[in-house]
Amino acid sequence: GNSVTQMEGPVTLSEEAFLTINCTYTATGYPSLFWYVQYPGEGLQLLLKATKADDKGSNKGFEATYRKETTSFHLEKGSVQVSDSAVYFCALRNNQGGKLIFGQGTELSVKP
Amino acid sequence: NAGVTQTPKFQVLKTGQSMTLQCAQDMNHNSMYWYRQDPGMGLRLIYYSASEGTTDKGEVPNGYNVSRLNKREFSLRLESAAPSQTSVYFCASSERTSGSNEQFFGPGTRLTVL
Repeated sequence: GNSVTQMEGPVTLSEEAFLTINCTYTATGYPSLFWYVQYPGEGLQLLLKATKADDKGSNKGFEATYRKETTSFHLEKGSVQVSDSAVYFCALRNNQGGKLIFGQGTELSVKP
Repeated sequence: NAGVTQTPKFQVLKTGQSMTLQCAQDMNHNSMYWYRQDPGMGLRLIYYSASEGTTDKGEVPNGYNVSRLNKREFSLRLESAAPSQTSVYFCASSERTSGSNEQFFGPGTRLTVL
């Protein structure tokens, strides 16, 4: 079945450090891939998405590239800010109408 | 636009009590969802409604019932609450269930069952 695996947190970085949060997936067919972000006390918000192989999603300085050969969708940001502290969820949905499947989430804490 | 709203924000129940979590969206979306979020387990789908008048089970439906009251509203009912249902519950909506459609989430309901 479909599944998503994320690197375990918490991840603690200093401001302006480079961020990578790993995400790999198992899926049948050609899923769409998503990164959602959850700020403290709030619901999830879509951060970026990619719908086919080699697509790059980007938003707010974050990027992720859909790599079919390695079944990965790693999230990166060149210079994190304290305001990026949140929980990040990788997710997939099969394009034939399947449900959205989430990874377990990775907590990011950015220190000044 | 308020997006997706949920009530209540917090609730404490005793084992065996019942309650209904309310969710409404004002984006004219066809599809609505209920998730629970537990530490280290991400979000798990409880029930969803692909369109008005339909509901389907998700990954963890046991102990819950849902009602798609109309296109805007989708409620989740716990008939006899158990401590294992202590969790944060999120409602979400999307234009459709398929493909790259974005899901919009409510702020959540934090439920504690004693």
